[in-house]
Amino acid sequence: SSELTQDPSMSVALGQTVRITCQGDSLRTSYATWYQQKPGQAPKLIIYGKNTRPSGIPDRFSDSSSGNTASLTITGAQAEDEADYYCKSRDTINNSVLFGGGTRLTVL
Amino acid sequence: EVQLLNSGGGLVQPGGSLRLSCAASGFDFSKYAMSWVRQAPGKGLEWVSGIDNNGYIKYNRDLVKGRFTISRDDSKNTLSLEMNNLRVEDTAVYYCAKDHSPYYDSSDFDSWGQGTLVTVSS
Repeated sequence: SSELTQDPSMSVALGQTVRITCQGDSLRTSYATWYQQKPGQAPKLIIYGKNTRPSGIPDRFSDSSSGNTASLTITGAQAEDEADYYCKSRDTINNSVLFGGGTRLTVL
Repeated sequence: EVQLLNSGGGLVQPGGSLRLSCAASGFDFSKYAMSWVRQAPGKGLEWVSGIDNNGYIKYNRDLVKGRFTISRDDSKNTLSLEMNNLRVEDTAVYYCAKDHSPYYDSSDFDSWGQGTLVTVSS
């Protein structure tokens, strides 16, 4: 199916590691891209391609994939990482772009 | 500095039309694919349409159903989205977004406009 599934919410203790997952058939043939969005702001690109971070994105953000699942890992979560995280992939069958439903991350 | 300035949103009745614009600056607009992404209040991101640097267009067919038309004017560094027969469910903030790679439509968006709110209501 042409959907990407994410857990609606997750929490992580300050300084701990959290993994946010994204599942969908399109991930078998397309890398996941990850965006971070804070309240009232536009999304920000944090991971694209094969685990590539744009300039300025801390290296505590990384991603991996296996089969139909992509994962965004935040190693040593900081208070400023509290945000919504969206995965994205390309739907090559429908020549379209898919976003996951988003995961709201709370840093405790 | 890359800047994308969204405009054109507002309140429109169901069945009405709006034209959104995105004025780009700070980069060679003609080299980059661009897209529109929307976000309904309190909801997630939804890709609407994209156009590459050669003018090749793609749509979220389930969403658009022939009602929206994307276009670009490289001479004016402007991206547009013409929206017709608007529905209540089209209410959202509409963002324009720039692809991160020139000459390649990766649909990885490294710059976003500030968004413009479209409200469809009677």
